[in-house]
Amino acid sequence: NAGVMQNPRHLVRRRGQEARLRCSPMKGHSHVYWYRQLPEEGLKFMVYLQKENIIDESGMPKERFSAEFPKEGPSILRIQQVVRGDSAAYFCASSLSPGQGAAGANVLTFGAGSRLTVL
Amino acid sequence: GQQVMQIPQYQHVQEGEDFTTYCNSSTTLSNIQWYKQRPGGHPVFLIQLVKSGEVKKQKRLTFQFGEAKKNSSLHITATQTTDVGTYFCAGRRGNTPLVFGKGTRLSVIA
Repeated sequence: NAGVMQNPRHLVRRRGQEARLRCSPMKGHSHVYWYRQLPEEGLKFMVYLQKENIIDESGMPKERFSAEFPKEGPSILRIQQVVRGDSAAYFCASSLSPGQGAAGANVLTFGAGSRLTVL
Repeated sequence: GQQVMQIPQYQHVQEGEDFTTYCNSSTTLSNIQWYKQRPGGHPVFLIQLVKSGEVKKQKRLTFQFGEAKKNSSLHITATQTTDVGTYFCAGRRGNTPLVFGKGTRLSVIA
């Protein structure tokens, strides 16, 4: 029973390039969240998605960042024209449908993260 | 927007000493969760508290949720080197996404 799978685990990009981070949720989970973590900092919410639907993107920068969770395939966080400040660990988490009363529905299962370094 | 504050930011203890981290929310929460992140690792769910005044124990860890559902604490009795890591609280209002505190980084000196 695979957990949340993220790839790549490490990604190095030069300024101006694009970064694509992928996340496959845990089996049976229909909700995906992306969080960003700067070194020695907390987890900052970015975006919350359901299949083919962005539920909440209030934490996403307005420019250069986008996320999708297509009907088939993994969720993708895309960062265009990366800058040095984008260097961080990007964690994906998945959950059952929250707020529906199922045991553990609100609990997030995190992937191992994708560590982006922008040179 | 909703904010979750955690103190202290860092804590260094001798092995065998107790440790407590505190979490405060600017708003009343539906529930609060605690996660642990080992150095270089990813956050792992520890526990969820839902009821006002709730207290839950996991071996040497004791979790409390305040009466007003705006604060929480995690207490570890007799720390061990395996307790090293960063402990995050995370709060939620209704169906909004979890908001994480900045975490308390625990170091245990053997």
